[in-house]
Amino acid sequence: EVQLVESGGGLVQPGSSLKVSCVASGFTFSSYVMHWFRQAPENGIEWLAYINTDSSSTHYAETVKGRFTISRDNAKNTVDMQLSSLRSEDTAMYFCARERCELGASFDYWGQGVMVTVSS
Amino acid sequence: DIQMTQSPASLSASLGETVTIQCQASEDIYSGLAWYQQKPGKSPQLLIYGASSLQDGVPSRFSGSGSGTQYSLKISSMQTEDEGVYFCQQGLKYPLTFGSGTKLEIK
Repeated sequence: EVQLVESGGGLVQPGSSLKVSCVASGFTFSSYVMHWFRQAPENGIEWLAYINTDSSSTHYAETVKGRFTISRDNAKNTVDMQLSSLRSEDTAMYFCARERCELGASFDYWGQGVMVTVSS
Repeated sequence: DIQMTQSPASLSASLGETVTIQCQASEDIYSGLAWYQQKPGKSPQLLIYGASSLQDGVPSRFSGSGSGTQYSLKISSMQTEDEGVYFCQQGLKYPLTFGSGTKLEIK
């Protein structure tokens, strides 16, 4: 069974840093492109970042470029995102997801999400 | 960025009714369109990819259609378990973008 499990969320102060992690199981992790998304309370879904299978390529949303860094470890089946210079508007549920690479990028498995709250 | 305009924002349907949700892209996305269902407190679930391909395990009452900039999701016979929020998403260009969602409730 394919599973994605996030961890690392919490309450942090503005300007601080936090790492959210996602551990994958049930599939050949090294063969899949992975992404991070977020969803603020009662809001829509925002794509944040992408990393390809061997970490040679990454993309970021403009809202997080230069502050967030995506990385992966294929030996440990993990994809992480380091969140820095956090702002109140970064408060959201953060999800990792596996890309289904066919007929455009879509996402067939998502983690349950991890909550990040940025507040003083 | 490609803007995704989804309509309606909310609707209610009776059991067995046919429901249609629309999504318009700000430019041609060449059928790179996916639909998701999200229930409260849960992560999104993929329903349709490539505008019209049904994801494994999704009931056949769900179907997608469209091309160019106009796409739609149809639920052919509304069931209780279909309540939730539905999002469209373009998968052609970065940044990947989503519609604002349609909240579907049972009437």
